[in-house]
Formats: sequence, C-alpha cells, structure tokens
Amino acid sequence: DAMVIQNPRYQVTQFGKPVTLSCSQTLNHNVMYWYQQKSSQAPKLLFHYYDKDFNNEADTPDNFQSRRPNTSFCFLDIRSPGLGDAAMYLCATQSTGGKNIQYFGAGTRLSVL
Amino acid sequence: GQNIDQPTEMTATEGAIVQINCTYQTSGFNGLFWYQQHAGEAPTFLSYNVLDGLEEKGRFSSFLSRSKGYSYLLLKELQMKDSASYLCAVKTGGFKTIFGAGTRLFVKA
Repeated sequence: DAMVIQNPRYQVTQFGKPVTLSCSQTLNHNVMYWYQQKSSQAPKLLFHYYDKDFNNEADTPDNFQSRRPNTSFCFLDIRSPGLGDAAMYLCATQSTGGKNIQYFGAGTRLSVL
Repeated sequence: GQNIDQPTEMTATEGAIVQINCTYQTSGFNGLFWYQQHAGEAPTFLSYNVLDGLEEKGRFSSFLSRSKGYSYLLLKELQMKDSASYLCAVKTGGFKTIFGAGTRLFVKA
C-alpha cells in the first residue's frame, strides 16, 4: 500500500497559471519535504515542515509556497510557473526517530507550456 | 560549500558485481544514505551508514569512511531490474539531506 501519495502524477499548466500539487501520507511522520528534481540532477530541497514549523531553503524562489493544514497533507503552490519550473516534484516524509529514512511519493511531473 | 560526487554512468553485466563510489564534502555529517531510483519513479531507501565500516543487506552492501569522506555501494549478482539510478545522500544536520546527482547503472545481458 502506498504510504506517501502524490496527486496528480502528471500536471500540465500554462506559463504564469497557478498550480497546486498535493501530497498525503499515512505514516504519521512529523517531517514532510518538497524536492524539485530535473532530469539527471539531484533532488533539490525546496522546503520542509517539522510539524507545523515551516523551513524555507534560502535559494527557494518566492514563486514557490507551501501549506500543511494537518499532519497528513502538504501542498506545493507554484504561483506563476515559468518554463524553468518544469520538473519532477517529489514529496517525502521522515520520522524524527531512528535512522531518519525519507519515504518518497511517486512524484508529480510538471510540464509548463 | 556542500558537494557530493558520484560517477554519472556505469555499465555492468548481469550476474556480475559493481561498486558505485561516492565522495562528499559537507558542512555536517549525521549519516549517509543510498537510494535507488528507477526512471520516472521516486527514490527508495537502500542503505544507511553512520559509523565507519561495511553494512550488508542481501545483495547490497554499503561502506563508509568518514575520515576520507567516502562511501561505496556494492551490488552483487546483478539482475536486469537493478538498472536504475543510485543516489548518494548525506544528512548534514537538523532535517536537511543533501543528494548527489546519482549514478545511472545499466545492466546488460
């Protein structure tokens, strides 16, 4: 059973048209992450939540926002997508104990036309 | 700065052994992970090292030398399904993990 679920798997949007990607988890993990991954590149951390505490990476553009209304759900909002924002967006969760393994969703592939 | 280096691509033969190297320079170190990522899919956890030495898990083993900033992932008895990217990642502190760009492994018959 999928434990980290991302919807949709594929998203097509137009240049400048706001888009929201969603992530849900059944693991009850405190920490949730959003990564951007472009082809053949490393996943790049955009931000993470520890419970409701939001932590933005210094180089994450203001165009990217996030919401976490409860433990299970987290959203990535791209306010005005540009062509350079076309990428795979990965959501991951992590518990605060043990080895701190990250569990990833299957990702949302975003295309910007 | 933070840097994780791994070879871009490797090719190996079914049934053989392959070693994927990773070197890292990070501002902190709280453990090193290896993830497997098939094309178009999410990374999945393979192994974790926090102390020096070898961790073995079935066909996969991972080695760490903290003094050298070096790790490798060893895959034995290669199968076609092992064709994937292998990501080296370092937990640097707090909740932050830095990923390498990955090594694409091609397993040929």
